[in-house]
Amino acid sequence: GNSVTQMEGPVTLSEEAFLTINCTYTATGYPSLFWYVQYPGEGLQLLLKATKADDKGSNKGFEATYRKETTSFHLEKGSVQVSDSAVYFCALSDKAAAGNKLTFGGGTRVLVKP
Amino acid sequence: KAGVTQTPRYLIKTRGQQVTLSCSPISGHRSVSWYQQTPGQGLQFLFEYFSETQRNKGNFPGRFSGRQFSNSRSEMNVSTLELGDSALYLCASSTGTGGSLSSGANVLTFGAGSRLTVL
Repeated sequence: GNSVTQMEGPVTLSEEAFLTINCTYTATGYPSLFWYVQYPGEGLQLLLKATKADDKGSNKGFEATYRKETTSFHLEKGSVQVSDSAVYFCALSDKAAAGNKLTFGGGTRVLVKP
Repeated sequence: KAGVTQTPRYLIKTRGQQVTLSCSPISGHRSVSWYQQTPGQGLQFLFEYFSETQRNKGNFPGRFSGRQFSNSRSEMNVSTLELGDSALYLCASSTGTGGSLSSGANVLTFGAGSRLTVL
């Protein structure tokens, strides 16, 4: 079956530091990959996505590249802000399967200190 | 445009009771999915509805059920509540029919969730 593994947190950083959150996946099909972010007390918001190998998703200074050879989709941001403090979820959907089911990783809590 | 609306936002129930949660998707979205979020198990897929039909179902007991109406609004019901059902229940809607390599990513838009506490 499909699964997503991401690094456990919490990750504590200082403002303007470089952020990397590792994400690897296992899929029987050919998945689309996503990063969602959850701020305190809120639902999930789509951060970025990639649908095929070597695609780079980017948004709000965050980037992730779909690496089929290493089955990875690591999230990076060059200079974090306090407002980036949140929980980040890596997820996949199997394009070959019917429906819109997402398989999520366990989430990584990021805390950015001023 | 309005986002995904979930009601109620918070509720407290006791063991053995049942609960119904509601989700209004973004206008034009025909797919509605439900997820359970707990600290221990993370985000787990419950079920997905598309055009009033359940298209996918996760590994949850039969106490968890759902339905979708002709206007795409969806409800989920949990009967005979247990303490372990305490969770944030998230609804997500999508335009995509899914299942096609040509359709691209199936982007889900999530609501803020309904937080259920079972005492």
